[in-house]
Formats: sequence, structure tokens, C-alpha cells
Amino acid sequence: AQSVSQHNHHVILSEAASLELGCNYSYGGTVNLFWYVQYPGQHLQLLLKYFSGDPLVKGIKGFEAEFIKSKFSFNLRKPSVQWSDTAEYFCAVNARFGNEKLTFGTGTRLTIIP
Amino acid sequence: DGGITQSPKYLFRKEGQNVTLSCEQNLNHDAMYWYRQDPGQGLRLIYYSQIVNDFQKGDIAEGYSVSREKKESFPLTVTSAQKNPTAFYLCASSLQGKPYEQYFGPGTRLTVT
Repeated sequence: AQSVSQHNHHVILSEAASLELGCNYSYGGTVNLFWYVQYPGQHLQLLLKYFSGDPLVKGIKGFEAEFIKSKFSFNLRKPSVQWSDTAEYFCAVNARFGNEKLTFGTGTRLTIIP
Repeated sequence: DGGITQSPKYLFRKEGQNVTLSCEQNLNHDAMYWYRQDPGQGLRLIYYSQIVNDFQKGDIAEGYSVSREKKESFPLTVTSAQKNPTAFYLCASSLQGKPYEQYFGPGTRLTVT
């Protein structure tokens, strides 16, 4: 079965700082990888996704993530954060050839200080 | 306006009572899911259903039950057997074969005392 680890539980940054949130997964086969975001008071929504091809994927609002297969990682990055990026971020993995389950990490709470 | 509706937003129950959480979607999605969200534990899958009249246990199904009699509805019952029922419950749906593109509802916060 797949599993996901997010080691940063709470990250606090000032506006304009650069962001990198860690995500590592464990699974013996091929995976699809995702980042979801939950803004305060809003529904959880898909931020970006990786299936195959270019390991650097771009999502909404200037976020990007890089898949490094050798490290089983899919870290989320943004060069310059804004106060509106304050949210909880979840990494998720899905076995590409297997069950219909999406496995989520424990989440990282990001607080941006104006 | 397409989406997922969960009601109520807040629910309070006494210990020992069963309680049913509602989830309705008008996205015409085949698959539906129930997650439990606890601080520091992320989202954990309780049950999921890929088609009407069929559902599978997720990672933490004990103490919960579901039904899928209609495509648009996937109610979750939290039974008295669930040891720690107080949590935030999220319902989601997706197209068949696209479990990664899940659309989430607003959630129901259940408090059991």
C-alpha cells in the first residue's frame, strides 16, 4: 500500500519569502502525485498534479512541484509567497495501476505573515 | 451550480447514539468517498463507492457504515461502535477512473459528548 509523509507540520513565512514544502511517498510501483490546498473556510481543492513526462509541473497561483523519482519526493515550491497563500497543503498519491484510492499526507499548515 | 453538499455543517450527538451524515452531489460523478480529518493526521479514507449499490472499506472503516442507493447520494453513519467519533468529516466525488481529481464538499464537524 502507498503512504505519504509530510514532515513540515506548520510553516510560518513572511510575504515574498520563497516556499518549499516537503512530500515523500512510499510505494513500489508507479504513482500519480498531487498537491491539494485547503484555504481557510473553503473546500479542499486540487492545486497541481503529476502523471508522467516533465517532472516539473506547474499549478495554479504560481505553485510548482518537482517529482524526483530517486528520492521518492514531490516537493511543492513557490518563489514568492503572498498572504493569500495561507492555507493547509496536502500531498497525495495514487497508484497508477491499481486501486481507486487516493492516499493523503498529514498536511502542512502554512501561515504567511504580511 | 454543480457541487457537493454536506449537511449539517455542525452536528452534536450524545455518546452511544448513531448519527448519519449527508452527502449529495450533482456533478454526475460515479465515485464517492468519505474521509475523516483530524489535526495532525491529514485525511484518512473511511469508505468509498465506485458505482451505485457497491462500496469498499477504506483505511479506517471500523465503526462506520455507508449506503449507495442513488448515484448522487452517499450517506455515512457513525455508529456507537466508533471509539473516537468527534472529527471533521469530508465527502468527495470523482469521475470513474479519475480518483485523483476529487471534488470535496464543505465538511461536517461532528462532536460527540
